[in-house]
Amino acid sequence: DARVTQTPRHKVTEMGQEVTMRCQPILGHNTVFWYRQTMMQGLELLAYFRNRAPLDDSGMPKDRFSAEMPDATLATLKIQPSEPRDSAVYFCASGPGQGNEQFFGPGTRLTVL
Amino acid sequence: QQQVKQSPQSLIVQKGGISIINCAYENTAFDYFPWYQQFPGKGPALLIAIRPDVSEKKEGRFTISFNKSAKQFSLHIMDSQPGDSATYFCAASTGNQFYFGTGTSLTVIP
Repeated sequence: DARVTQTPRHKVTEMGQEVTMRCQPILGHNTVFWYRQTMMQGLELLAYFRNRAPLDDSGMPKDRFSAEMPDATLATLKIQPSEPRDSAVYFCASGPGQGNEQFFGPGTRLTVL
Repeated sequence: QQQVKQSPQSLIVQKGGISIINCAYENTAFDYFPWYQQFPGKGPALLIAIRPDVSEKKEGRFTISFNKSAKQFSLHIMDSQPGDSATYFCAASTGNQFYFGTGTSLTVIP
């Protein structure tokens, strides 16, 4: 059963701390997306990778957020330093690169105190 | 500027009824229009999608109606069931651009 996995599922941290979220895309998928979901803003696209290269990260606050794909099986989203306004659910999604299909992971619920 | 506008924000339907959720977009370059279903604590799951070369797509109880000239598309859930109670998101995309609607919370009453 191929699915996107994300770790950790929940993270509580204090303001100023570094947060790293990880995503394992579905094997064979060459596109990876990071989204943030909040009640106020809904689903926001933060970053988009194709074949491990970042194509669009315009939705990401550059001063504190960074997204990388060290290899085809791992995508990371880092926040440093974290702030309370970063509290949200962060989703990773992957796609086969055709038809713009996206398959979402279960999300990481981040709480910054 | 909101690229995809979704309505209603919430919807309550009796079991067996038809649920209708609407979306409108501005960018005529969008070429892929999916609908996602999200249950609490879960990630959105692709439900059904359409491209602008067809006006309707049906999969089981779920149908997308697409009106290219009006730049609108809608999701119809026939014979709605309590298990359909979830949040539904429309989306539109082209190339590297992906935009989601704000979501519709659907409650199907037994």
